[in-house]
This record gives sequence, structure tokens and C-alpha cells, in this order.
Amino acid sequence: GESVGLHLPTLSVQEGDNSIINCAYSNSASDYFIWYKQESGKGPQFIIDIRSNMDKRQGQRVTVLLNKTVKHLSLQIAATQPGDSAVYFCAEKGATNKLIFGTGTLLAVQP
Amino acid sequence: SQTIHQWPATLVQPVGSPLSLECTVEGTSNPNLYWYRQAAGRGLQLLFYSVGIGQISSEVPQNLSASRPQDRQFILSSKKLLLSDSGFYLCAWDRGRSYEQYFGPGTRLTVT
Repeated sequence: GESVGLHLPTLSVQEGDNSIINCAYSNSASDYFIWYKQESGKGPQFIIDIRSNMDKRQGQRVTVLLNKTVKHLSLQIAATQPGDSAVYFCAEKGATNKLIFGTGTLLAVQP
Repeated sequence: SQTIHQWPATLVQPVGSPLSLECTVEGTSNPNLYWYRQAAGRGLQLLFYSVGIGQISSEVPQNLSASRPQDRQFILSSKKLLLSDSGFYLCAWDRGRSYEQYFGPGTRLTVT
């Protein structure tokens, strides 16, 4: 599919391990951040979001951490499963409605 | 609950032919609507966005155009396709600046 390519950074983990996917965002004025999961041939799927007045937010098996000082965002996935294999994108919003996407990371879960 | 539809799912068109891709959203009113294109192994490039009927903002100069004839309908068009128009086209919606954006299933366009 279009979302999986040979040029993406790849993170390979064993099933059951925790995964950490990192993202550096570009605009210090961005105040809203989203993580998306995209499986091959499908549209991006919303995973979790965080606003700039928070530094951590937890969902089901996922945690997003925001470090505004160094403009860094991370997505932690607990007990990674084969179904988590996909490309993960971070995205930021600033003063406009427009989302700015990172380049994506391919997560490969080994059974 | 809200649902976003795109069609067709797959399209193969010759160079120089016209294009019309459609996106509709259900379960919400007055959404912001977006068209993105994704090349293989790449991130998403914003093409157009709309905050209301008849209101279209273009992000990238190209031979594509967009229209919003109804509140929950967004159409991407071209009069003459180029080879470089091939890609995965995604429609998305949100309620505003501080809200999550949801994507449709996408249309894979191959221009031959």
C-alpha cells in the first residue's frame, strides 16, 4: 500500500515488548498533537491526541509524551502485538486548522 | 457516530483524462474538510481544505481543483490528469482547530 515504503525509518520489536516511537515537531507555536496509525492501503487511523498544556496522556495500551522544551513527541505502545504493525505518523496543529505531518515510522512486530 | 466515505476505492485513468473523486461525511454538520495526497513511502501532503460550502483554500498549485457543493460533500477534480497525479488520495474532516481529524479509507489513483 501507499503508506508502507522502503524509505521510512523502521522500528522492529518482539511481540510482547513495549514500543517507543519518536517524533520531532517543527513549530514551537503548535499546541495540539495527534498520533495516527496507518495500515497498508488504508487511511490513517486516529490513536491519541495531546494538547500543549499537558505532558502526558494515556489511552488503552498507548501513552503519548510531550516535551515542549525540545519539541519532541513520543508514542509508547505497551505489550506490542502483531496487529500493531503499521506506519505511525505524528501530526501537529498550530494557529490554523492545518495538520503538519511527520515522515512516519514503520513499526514491525516480530512474532 | 460520524462516518467518512470516499469513492472510488481504486481508479486507473489514462493521462489527459478527467478526474472526479468524492468524499462525504455522515453524522456531523459544518465540518472542516480536507484533501490530502500521499506518495508511496511518504507522508501526507495537504492539497485543499474547506471551512464551509463554496469555501476552498488551495495549498499546492497544480492541475487539481476542489469543490464543496454541499455541507458534507467534498469533491476533488482535474480536467486533464498527469502521470505525477498518481497517488493515494485521502479525505479528512474535523470540527475545528483543537479537534482530532479523521480520515476516510482513501482512493488509490494510478495514471497510465
